[in-house]
Amino acid sequence: RKEVEQDPGPFNVPEGATVAFNCTYSNSASQSFFWYRQDCRKEPKLLMSVYSSGNEDGRFTAQLNRASQYISLLIRDSKLSDSATYLCVVNTNAGKSTFGDGTTLTVKP
Amino acid sequence: ETGVTQTPRHLVMGMTNKKSLKCEQHLGHNAMYWYKQSAKKPLELMFVYSLEERVENNSVPSRFSPECPNSSHLFLHLHTLQPEDSALYLCASSPTPGQGYGYTFGSGTRLTVV
Repeated sequence: RKEVEQDPGPFNVPEGATVAFNCTYSNSASQSFFWYRQDCRKEPKLLMSVYSSGNEDGRFTAQLNRASQYISLLIRDSKLSDSATYLCVVNTNAGKSTFGDGTTLTVKP
Repeated sequence: ETGVTQTPRHLVMGMTNKKSLKCEQHLGHNAMYWYKQSAKKPLELMFVYSLEERVENNSVPSRFSPECPNSSHLFLHLHTLQPEDSALYLCASSPTPGQGYGYTFGSGTRLTVV
């Protein structure tokens, strides 16, 4: 089993749609969690950290469920510019980061 | 300059060549990383440096040799590579190698081994 597993995707949604991605992790010692976005042939960029109480940044909401060992990312009112690959990243207490395979989102007009 | 800068952006090298990738960060971070991203695969951690000291070597073949002369600069020396080493090599930095910080990535070097 992979340490970090993401929804395989791809997700193809119309503009304005709400879309959610899930990510599960196997290491119960994981301490910090992040979502990155990566555009085609570009580097990953930090989108948001994921906090225990859940957090929101504009149209983006991240949630963490420690008991079930998953994190989620919700995007509301999708824009064309949201099209990208979204990477789930899980850090252990020792600072080791494990990246998921990524979920590709395409928002269509 | 700000952020994390990588050079060159693209590199084509033969299997007998020796080349180096360079990374520079202007963020005052203490930790720097090399990652490899191959097509259809997740990012693979190669090396971690904290305050110029290597703290992790993730079972990387010896044909990849990192060097960190100071906390702002990181190199990856390449020699006798194989075609399967063709990938995007990404440098990243973070305030510390601790668990609470996200990374800032450079634009990467797209390496092709012929």
